[in-house]
Amino acid sequence: DQQVKQNSPSLSVQEGRISILNCDYTNSMFDYFLWYKKYPAEGPTFLISISSIKDKNEDGRFTVFLNKSAKHLSLHIVPSQPGDSAVYFCAARRGSNYKLTFGKGTLLTVNP
Amino acid sequence: GAGVSQSPSNKVTEKGKDVELRCDPISGHTALYWYRQSLGQGLEFLIYFQGNSAPDKSGLPSDRFSAERTGGSVSTLTIQRTQQEDSAVYLCASSSDGWTLHFGNGTRLTVT
Repeated sequence: DQQVKQNSPSLSVQEGRISILNCDYTNSMFDYFLWYKKYPAEGPTFLISISSIKDKNEDGRFTVFLNKSAKHLSLHIVPSQPGDSAVYFCAARRGSNYKLTFGKGTLLTVNP
Repeated sequence: GAGVSQSPSNKVTEKGKDVELRCDPISGHTALYWYRQSLGQGLEFLIYFQGNSAPDKSGLPSDRFSAERTGGSVSTLTIQRTQQEDSAVYLCASSSDGWTLHFGNGTRLTVT
């Protein structure tokens, strides 16, 4: 029973173009969402988050959009850079519950 | 400052042996988590420690798995009588606020 789904295992884009990574969730009680980035042989690092009271949060080249009615969020990276090549995990939590529920991740490859 | 440190970085063990994985969290972080990532899967929650409260062990997959946190700092995850399905990357994370997790680089466990 996967509550957070990342249906694209991989994505390839050209340097300078937009990367869009998608995430769907099934638990309507989730109210806080995070994206983590993971390089090989390293632990995931926090990238950006969004609360369910917002529909957009922006940090530099990274923007996260939340569509609560569709239970869908997306991470946009503009412009994409080769150093952005990594696995991106979507994660969600519910209220004061400290557990993060993660998706399976999407491998992003940005080609020079 | 120093991040979350995990040791060993790699561990190969024979089926049936016991293993201990160690995590040194960021100093001052009261929350400590263990997750694991099996091949092709997302991060699976195992256990959570918060201060002096009783740990949440709800994610431990069987009674062969146990964890302790001594003095509110270092944590050890023990797997007894290892099985091949235990092969995974075991990730430790700590947090000061219970929202943003800081992960270590993980221990890659291979059970032969």
